[in-house]
Amino acid sequence: KAGVTQTPRYLIKTRGQQVTLSCSPISGHRSVSWYQQTPGQGLQFLFEYFSETQRNKGNFPGRFSGRQFSNSRSEMNVSTLELGDSALYLCASSPSTGGNEKLFFGSGTQLSVL
Amino acid sequence: SQQGEEDPQALSIQEGENATMNCSYKTSINNLQWYRQNSGRGLVHLILIRSNEREKHSGRLRVTLDTSKKSSSLLITASRAADTASYFCATADPGGSYIPTFGRGTSLIVHP
Repeated sequence: KAGVTQTPRYLIKTRGQQVTLSCSPISGHRSVSWYQQTPGQGLQFLFEYFSETQRNKGNFPGRFSGRQFSNSRSEMNVSTLELGDSALYLCASSPSTGGNEKLFFGSGTQLSVL
Repeated sequence: SQQGEEDPQALSIQEGENATMNCSYKTSINNLQWYRQNSGRGLVHLILIRSNEREKHSGRLRVTLDTSKKSSSLLITASRAADTASYFCATADPGGSYIPTFGRGTSLIVHP
């Protein structure tokens, strides 16, 4: 089985721009979660999607949004980029939701905001 | 939201030595998981221990859980240079959203 695929691997943007990141989960996995990782804050939960519905949302401003498609692929969008949005964005999938599942992570998208 | 905290923040040892990392958390949990991350890459799941379990083994890994102290430890025996990575614990709160929340990790360096 192919693993979790995130594209692009690296991204450089300037302040004020917007960006869309993509995540393809493992085949058969219906839950996709997004995390932001920075050296100072560690991994911070952004949101979780299950069967095209946002199930949970972390404490991030409305500039961060996401969606999930019928094939379980997910995208996250960040609008009006700020310097502080520079981070490694990680996507993780699991067969179901509920917290008893182990997460399978992609390699991440490294976003740099200049 | 609750968050596990790993201790120490950094650990440097020689190949062949054992490495022990600890995780403390704040509220009750459904389970606790340990993950490993090589530099700049995604996390890889190592082991999941449920709240009614006290110890679990997987190869050279041994995880213990003490719910009375709200703490867990990860022991890597006979460390290898390839074990160099960051290690994270993640907890899921049954009274919350069940979303695994992560600590800041322990950075382990194993010198050959």
